[in-house]
Amino acid sequence: GQQLNQSPQSMFIQEGEDVSMNCTSSSIFNTWLWYKQEPGEGPVLLIALYKAGELTSNGRLTAQFGITRKDSFLNISASIPSDVGIYFCAGPSGTYKYIFGTGTRLKVLA
Amino acid sequence: NAGVTQTPKFQVLKTGQSMTLQCAQDMNHNSMYWYRQDPGMGLRLIYYSASEGTTDKGEVPNGYNVSRLNKREFSLRLESAAPSQTSVYFCASRDRKGAIYGYTFGSGTRLTVV
Repeated sequence: GQQLNQSPQSMFIQEGEDVSMNCTSSSIFNTWLWYKQEPGEGPVLLIALYKAGELTSNGRLTAQFGITRKDSFLNISASIPSDVGIYFCAGPSGTYKYIFGTGTRLKVLA
Repeated sequence: NAGVTQTPKFQVLKTGQSMTLQCAQDMNHNSMYWYRQDPGMGLRLIYYSASEGTTDKGEVPNGYNVSRLNKREFSLRLESAAPSQTSVYFCASRDRKGAIYGYTFGSGTRLTVV
């Protein structure tokens, strides 16, 4: 079945550093989604990507839809303490469903 | 605008007890979903309802049942809870017309089975 592999699994970074994470799929996607989950809350959609090569920003966050359509990347610039959380990638699995990656846990040291 | 509301937020059950997790959305979305989240496992789909009147199994349906009570409400039932069902459960919804958009999630139910 479909699998989404995210890396790294966790990151400890200093405030002000840039962050990069990625997600790879065993199959081709036509949509990539990136979510953030803060402690004790449900995931919240950050960025949606709809075509290969697309680069989309949301404030300090930038995500890219890989050319092969089997990968996506999320970058956070100049990290701040409130960036802490788990970042999930997701892609469509059939008409009505999404499959999620295992998440990248980000911790920011002030 | 509340979005997706889940109740209860926390629950402790003894092995063998039953309970129903409630979920309601006020966004007039057609599709609703139940996921569980376990450490290192990401979010795994338990059941979903593409539209009112339909339900389908997801990746990990064993030990669960669901009811799409109406367009707003989608409940998840554990008939005989087991320690392996200790998890955080998330309900989500999505509008079919917005097929390229993602889910809206509730804030979760943290369930412990002892």
